[in-house]
Amino acid sequence: EIVLTQSPATLSLSPGERATLSCRASQSVSSYLAWYQQKPGQAPRLLIYDASNRATGIPARFSGSGSGTDFTLTISSLEPEDFAVYYCQQRSNWPPRWTFGQGTKVEIK
Amino acid sequence: QMQLVQSGPEVKKPGTSVKVSCKASGFTFTSSAMQWVRQARGQRLEWIGWIVVGSGNTNYAQKFQERVTITRDMSTSTAYMELSSLRSEDTAVYYCAAEGNYDNAFDIWGQGTMVTVSS
Repeated sequence: EIVLTQSPATLSLSPGERATLSCRASQSVSSYLAWYQQKPGQAPRLLIYDASNRATGIPARFSGSGSGTDFTLTISSLEPEDFAVYYCQQRSNWPPRWTFGQGTKVEIK
Repeated sequence: QMQLVQSGPEVKKPGTSVKVSCKASGFTFTSSAMQWVRQARGQRLEWIGWIVVGSGNTNYAQKFQERVTITRDMSTSTAYMELSSLRSEDTAVYYCAAEGNYDNAFDIWGQGTMVTVSS
């Protein structure tokens, strides 16, 4: 099965700073790469789909990029509500199975 | 609005089974796919499996292949996840999530169902 490795595990930043989160796959797979945000006690929320497309209602400060095995989520200027855990998820072509990365926690410095 | 409503919390004995339901509304259930994900307290999201609602085709994570069954009832727009041979390590919040506005991305999530396995 594909393994997704997210780095760093924790990112300590201040509001207004730029956050860059990485997601690396163990093998080149499909373009079906999504990013989710999760806050304590809540279900995950879709931010980015197909590696680079923002979901409806997601602010423009969130952007996704990458292809093949290396993907990035960038938050251009952190707002107080952005401090959360972020997960990437990718689908293999065959068999069609999904995998999550282990998550990156963005915390207030 | 598009939503998924899951069944309530469960407490189960080791070795038994649990079946969690997830009722969809506000979107075309039959054109969707639905995944099941779990999260133990303080841990990462863990993918369990998914079903393409229209065809009924399923795929499961290798870890759960022998113990999980995902089904759907199109007449009631409800999906189900049954996990058997429960052990304490299965204690977690179980989420369903559906493709609403997008293919191959899950933008509609249920509220989660707490499953506790304890003797």
